[in-house]
Amino acid sequence: DAGVIQSPRHEVTEMGQEVTLRCKPISGHNSLFWYRQTMMRGLELLIYFNNNVPIDDSGMPEDRFSAKMPNASFSTLKIQPSEPRDSAVYFCASSLGSGGIQPQHFGDGTRLSIL
Amino acid sequence: KQEVTQIPAALSVPEGENLVLNCSFTDSAIYNLQWFRQDPGKGLTSLLLIQSSQREQTSGRLNASLDKSSGRSTLYIAASQPGDSATYLCAVFSGGGADGLTFGKGTHLIIQP
Repeated sequence: DAGVIQSPRHEVTEMGQEVTLRCKPISGHNSLFWYRQTMMRGLELLIYFNNNVPIDDSGMPEDRFSAKMPNASFSTLKIQPSEPRDSAVYFCASSLGSGGIQPQHFGDGTRLSIL
Repeated sequence: KQEVTQIPAALSVPEGENLVLNCSFTDSAIYNLQWFRQDPGKGLTSLLLIQSSQREQTSGRLNASLDKSSGRSTLYIAASQPGDSATYLCAVFSGGGADGLTFGKGTHLIIQP
């Protein structure tokens, strides 16, 4: 079975540019999570969707970040405008059911560098 | 706010040794605890999930225990192999509307051949 698929794997762009990260969850999973990983802060939850609806976006750092899930098989995380401090690895994860009751399955991440 | 701590931050042991990784959390009101493995440049692979009502879970050479009242979990790896080298992360699910996982910063494990 295909796992969680993220694209691109790597993104290097200049400060001020718009960045769009993409995620395809495992088919049949109805919960989707976006996390950010940095050396200083470790892994942090940014936003959580259940049945395509954003449930908890309290982890989104500021208005420059937005996330959408237009259907059950696709989600995007957008940063506009990007800043150097946004450099991190961004992970998407999906799971069955709601919340964290079931194991979360992670994609390989997008390594984002903002120059 | 839930906080998860993992000790040690790094560990290097010879092949064949048994070892224990530690995880502690500040709020004992959790639904479950999950151990993950992360290889360089890769995502996280779920190893074991322990529900709050359980004391331990086993998978092959891995055994995870949970003492919810004291806010502790351990991951025991038996007969370690070089292929076990990775970063091991502990995460708790606290529910209550915060539906994501709270992660520790991980233990970087190196198994020397």
